[in-house]
Amino acid sequence: AQSVTQLDSQVPVFEEAPVELRCNYSSSVSVYLFWYVQYPNQGLQLLLKYLSGSTLVKGINGFEAEFNKSQTSFHLRKPSVHISDTAEYFCAVTLVMNRDDKIIFGKGTRLHILP
Amino acid sequence: ETGVTQSPTHLIKTRGQQVTLRCSSQSGHNTVSWYQQALGQGPQFIFQYYREEENGRGNFPPRFSGLQFPNYSSELNVNALELDDSALYLCASSTHTEAFFGQGTRLTVV
Repeated sequence: AQSVTQLDSQVPVFEEAPVELRCNYSSSVSVYLFWYVQYPNQGLQLLLKYLSGSTLVKGINGFEAEFNKSQTSFHLRKPSVHISDTAEYFCAVTLVMNRDDKIIFGKGTRLHILP
Repeated sequence: ETGVTQSPTHLIKTRGQQVTLRCSSQSGHNTVSWYQQALGQGPQFIFQYYREEENGRGNFPPRFSGLQFPNYSSELNVNALELDDSALYLCASSTHTEAFFGQGTRLTVV
């Protein structure tokens, strides 16, 4: 079965500094990968997704992620964070081969922007 | 705006009671999944319905049950509520390549 590990439960970073949120997945078959963001008291919103093609994926709000098959990673990056990026970020995976498979989430990384 | 709406937004129940949470999915999305998100945790998969049949289940007891209807609405039912059932319950309407989440129902069991 597939699984997702988010290596950091919390990441503090100063405003306008770069940030990387780490995600590793485990699967013996091909997967689709996602990053979702959850603002306080809200549901989850898709930031970006990797389905196929270019391994560098650009999403909303200036975020991007790079799929690394050899390292089974899908780290999320932003070159300059803003206070409004304060949120919980979830990495997720689903199997390519199973059309109706569930999306499995990591435990989340809380991004804390310092003034 | 994801096109997925959940009701109610907040709910307080007493231990031992039963609760029904509702979700209205995007038209054309045959798959709906329910997740439980405890405070400070990621969403945990409860179960999934595809074309009105259960199509996968996470590690949740049978007192968690669901229904999906032809009009793209669905329900999550929880019997014999326990204090640990307090959480945000998320409904997701999905294609194979993306899940669209509702705002969630915050359930508090006292």
